[in-house]
Amino acid sequence: DGGITQSPKYLFRKEGQNVTLSCEQNLNHDAMYWYRQDPGQGLRLIYYSQIVNDFQKGDIAEGYSVSREKKESFPLTVTSAQKNPTAFYLCASRRRGGDYSNQPQHFGDGTRLSIL
Amino acid sequence: QKEVEQDPGPLSVPEGAIVSLNCTYSNSAFQYFMWYRQYSRKGPELLMYTYSSGNKEDGRFTAQVDKSSKYISLFIRDSQPSDSATYLCAMSEPKGGSEKLVFGKGTKLTVNP
Repeated sequence: DGGITQSPKYLFRKEGQNVTLSCEQNLNHDAMYWYRQDPGQGLRLIYYSQIVNDFQKGDIAEGYSVSREKKESFPLTVTSAQKNPTAFYLCASRRRGGDYSNQPQHFGDGTRLSIL
Repeated sequence: QKEVEQDPGPLSVPEGAIVSLNCTYSNSAFQYFMWYRQYSRKGPELLMYTYSSGNKEDGRFTAQVDKSSKYISLFIRDSQPSDSATYLCAMSEPKGGSEKLVFGKGTKLTVNP
């Protein structure tokens, strides 16, 4: 089945530790996105990537880093500089159409990150 | 004023009721409109996608867009307990505009058997 796979489902981080969240898609989508979801805050964009080896900061990129070495993969690292990392992290992707912005985003099932 | 406003609810209805969910927006450049359904501890699932004013129907779901009023709605007919979820509206500008998808905060719906 085609889809977006996020792993792990649950992750715990110790103080001062970097952790990496995995996102893999087999939909042949060009663009990939990372969002953070907090209760009462809605989804906020962290980083996005339209093509391999290129990515842009979203609204809340501080304390996070990404890479896009393969089309299928867009891992997110939550660094120790992110002081409030407890949240639900969602990865999304979408196909590039003739009009690039014409395609909706599809989401994985998220990773819940908590602080130990 | 926030770009997208959505009443967070919670909204509780009996099974079989017609549900109306709404979002207003301030950015007249938005041209693409989406509704997502999100079950607890799951990612959002695309329900409806439209890019023009008017109505779009898919089974028990109808999406309505009124660009002149900057107002979108999702109607659910014959609501079922399985419709209990958080519903997120989302919208974006066309090519050449902002890349971002802007979300409402979501409305939590409970359909009681």
